[in-house]
Order: sequence, then C-alpha cells, then structure tokens
Amino acid sequence: GAVVSQHPSRVICKSGTSVKIECRSLDFQATTMFWYRQFPKQSLMLMATSNEGSKATYEQGVEKDKFLINHASLTLSTLTVTSAHPEDSSFYICSARDGARGDETQYFGPGTRLLVL
Amino acid sequence: DAKTTQPPSMDCAEGRAANLPCNHSTISGNEYVYWYRQIHSQGPQYIIHGLKNNETNEMASLIITEDRKSSTLILPHATLRDTAVYYCIVRPGGATNKLIFGTGTLLAVQP
Repeated sequence: GAVVSQHPSRVICKSGTSVKIECRSLDFQATTMFWYRQFPKQSLMLMATSNEGSKATYEQGVEKDKFLINHASLTLSTLTVTSAHPEDSSFYICSARDGARGDETQYFGPGTRLLVL
Repeated sequence: DAKTTQPPSMDCAEGRAANLPCNHSTISGNEYVYWYRQIHSQGPQYIIHGLKNNETNEMASLIITEDRKSSTLILPHATLRDTAVYYCIVRPGGATNKLIFGTGTLLAVQP
C-alpha cells in the first residue's frame, strides 16, 4: 500500500515552454501532498504544501506564479513549471500523506527529471 | 523544527549490521523521529519512525535514547541494495507538518 506515482519520469523541453508534472496516490486518498526539488549532489528542498481543494502554501523564496500547483482531487496533484529556463532543470519529487488511515507518514513518488534546453 | 546531525558517510560490510547514528539534541516533546533513504536517482523511501519507544519493522530497527536526544537506525543484515543516502528527520505531529531534509548519511555497503 501507500504507492505514489509521478508522470512523466523525465522530460526535456525548450526554454520558455511550460511543463506539467503529475503526482498520483494510487491506493489511498491524499488530502495533503508536498512538492520538493533536488539539484545534483544536494538534499531535497521543500517547495510547497498542497491541500486538496485549496491553494498551495509555498516555501519562502519559491515563486508561486512560476510553479503552479493544483490539487483538484484526493488522488492527484499537478506541478506546472511555467516559462521554464535552464536553471529550472532539476529533479522534482512529490510526496503524499494517507489521511484516511490517520497515518502522518509521507510517501514519495519516484521523481521527475526535468531538463530545460 | 529541530535540527539533526548525521555523519556524512559510513561504510558497512555486506551481511553485517549497519548502525546509523543521528543526533537531535533540541528535539521537542511532540516531535517524531523519521528515517528515510534515497537510492541514487529515486524518490525517498520511508523506513521507520518513532516518538519515544524503540520500533522495529521488516526493514529496520529504530533505537531512541531515553532522553530522546539521539537515535540509531539499525539495518540488521546490510546488502548491496541498501547503499543509499539515509536521512534522519524530526517533525512535529500533525497532518500538514513538513519534512525538512538535511544532508543525510551516505551508507556504502561493501561486498
């Protein structure tokens, strides 16, 4: 149980285009999802907390207009990187919490590697 | 959030127990100790968590000192597939409380 998937696993795009990354909880309902970013040889950095049906809460220094988060259902959250630039190239990882079990543990997806040319 | 201190790297022989230490001397009474690991180019994998008591599951054991200022993650029989970065994180209870990742310990299991 507690499986989280992400799509796509990797994406290459041109500078200036937008890229959407999906995060799905496959076998549970996730009232809360989190988005992280990881640069090479660095640790995970939390970008935002996403609650189903409400606006995401962004960490300090993360541009909400650049990283659009939508959590429209209990099993799906999306992260859209708008007007992507090479410095946005990174490993993006989501996590989800199984609210129904009362389990506060976060389970992570496999990550999406974004390369902006 | 309380900060944690972990050694940057450790080696362990295959088949032996791996004991990964973590210091969290400023932990508060309502903060849990969580352990995750990240194998290269994958998302983090949940291992175990605890509040006060020692915990064991199919993956590992978590030993928390009585004063809760430090803990040890034990992988009883390390295999090559256990080579990963191991993160010790303290986090308050509560549904939306965040996991803040430090730099972790790179465990290299040697054949």
